Amino acid sequence: EAGVAQSPRYKIIEKRQSVAFWCNPISGHATLYWYQQILGQGPKLLIQFQNNGVVDDSQLPKDRFSAERLKGVDSTLKIQPAKLEDSAVYLCASSESDRGYEQYFGPGTRLTVT
Amino acid sequence: AQTVTQSQPEMSVQEAETVTLSCTYDTSESDYYLFWYKQPPSRQMILVIRQEAYKQQNATENRFSVNFQKAAKSFSLKISDSQLGDAAMYFCAYRRTINDYKLSFGAGTTVTVRA
Repeated sequence: EAGVAQSPRYKIIEKRQSVAFWCNPISGHATLYWYQQILGQGPKLLIQFQNNGVVDDSQLPKDRFSAERLKGVDSTLKIQPAKLEDSAVYLCASSESDRGYEQYFGPGTRLTVT
Repeated sequence: AQTVTQSQPEMSVQEAETVTLSCTYDTSESDYYLFWYKQPPSRQMILVIRQEAYKQQNATENRFSVNFQKAAKSFSLKISDSQLGDAAMYFCAYRRTINDYKLSFGAGTTVTVRA
């Protein structure tokens, strides 16, 4: 079974630029999560999708971050414009359903904003 | 909001020895899940073990076991017969069983295994 795929693995941009990350969850998984992991901290949920609908985006900085999950499969997370404090690893995870206790994580995208 | 605290930023263990990682959490719920995740340098987060709060029996997965103290809101992970491949960052995480399914993570503990 293929795992959660993410791209790119690394991205370096200057502040005020835009960036987008892509995630392909495990086939058949209805729930998709985006987490932000700042160096030295545990992951923090940014947004949760159930199929193509948003379940929880309470911690998403909506003035600069946006996310979508087209057709309930792939998802894209965008930052526009980026700030220095956005430097982090962005992790995507998926689970069979919102009640599924096991979340499967992708390898993450390390973003450096200079 | 639930908070998860891991008070040990780093732990070091000799190969084949045992190490215990601490985790405490704060919640007003009576039923919930607790997890330990492993994150090696490759960054792939892997589930190590989970515990349902309504179960009194401590979960065990091969060399990994937990000590779940519900009243004390404590959830420690014991790694027995440590191997070089156990070197990683370990995160304790909490999740409710109803309504809000997101994981709340602690800050992590870096485990180093000495050969």
